[in-house]
Amino acid sequence: EAGVAQSPRYKIIEKRQSVAFWCNPISGHATLYWYQQILGQGPKLLIQFQNNGVVDDSQLPKDRFSAERLKGVDSTLKIQPAKLEDSAVYLCASSLGGSGYTFGSGTRLTVV
Amino acid sequence: KQEVTQIPAALSVPEGENLVLNCSFTDSAIYNLQWFRQDPGKGLTSLLLIQSSQREQTSGRLNASLDKSSGRSTLYIAASQPGDSATYLCAVPSGGSYIPTFGRGTSLIVHP
Repeated sequence: EAGVAQSPRYKIIEKRQSVAFWCNPISGHATLYWYQQILGQGPKLLIQFQNNGVVDDSQLPKDRFSAERLKGVDSTLKIQPAKLEDSAVYLCASSLGGSGYTFGSGTRLTVV
Repeated sequence: KQEVTQIPAALSVPEGENLVLNCSFTDSAIYNLQWFRQDPGKGLTSLLLIQSSQREQTSGRLNASLDKSSGRSTLYIAASQPGDSATYLCAVPSGGSYIPTFGRGTSLIVHP
């Protein structure tokens, strides 16, 4: 089975610019997660989707971050405008029921 | 709110040693517990998934145990190898939305 696909792998932008990340989950996985992982810390949940509906976005900085999941499959996470503290690895994961979570390779964002 | 703690934060050992990594959680009403491995700059690779009704899971040189009542899980690595060097994270989904909470991880270095 194909894994969770994420792109791009790396991105360097200047502060106040915008950036978007893409995620394609495992086929059939209804639940999709976006995590932010700052260097030296564990992943922090930004948003959880169940099909194309938002289950939890309580830790998403909504003034600058947005996410959508069209047709319950692919998802995009956008940051506009970016700040220096947004530098992190952005991880996408998907799951099906209690079968555990599968993560993509992540996107490393550097804001300069 | 679930809180996950991993001890030790870092570990450096010579090749061949048997290791124990610890994960503790505050809310014992969990659905499962999953151990991941993360190489520098990469995504998370699932190692073992233990359902809440199980006591342990084994895969090769890895053995993970779960004690829900005491809020603890341990990951045992037998005969460590330099290739085991990575950060090990545990994730605990709980609450009505199955949102996994991560610890900060244990950074392991195995010297040849």
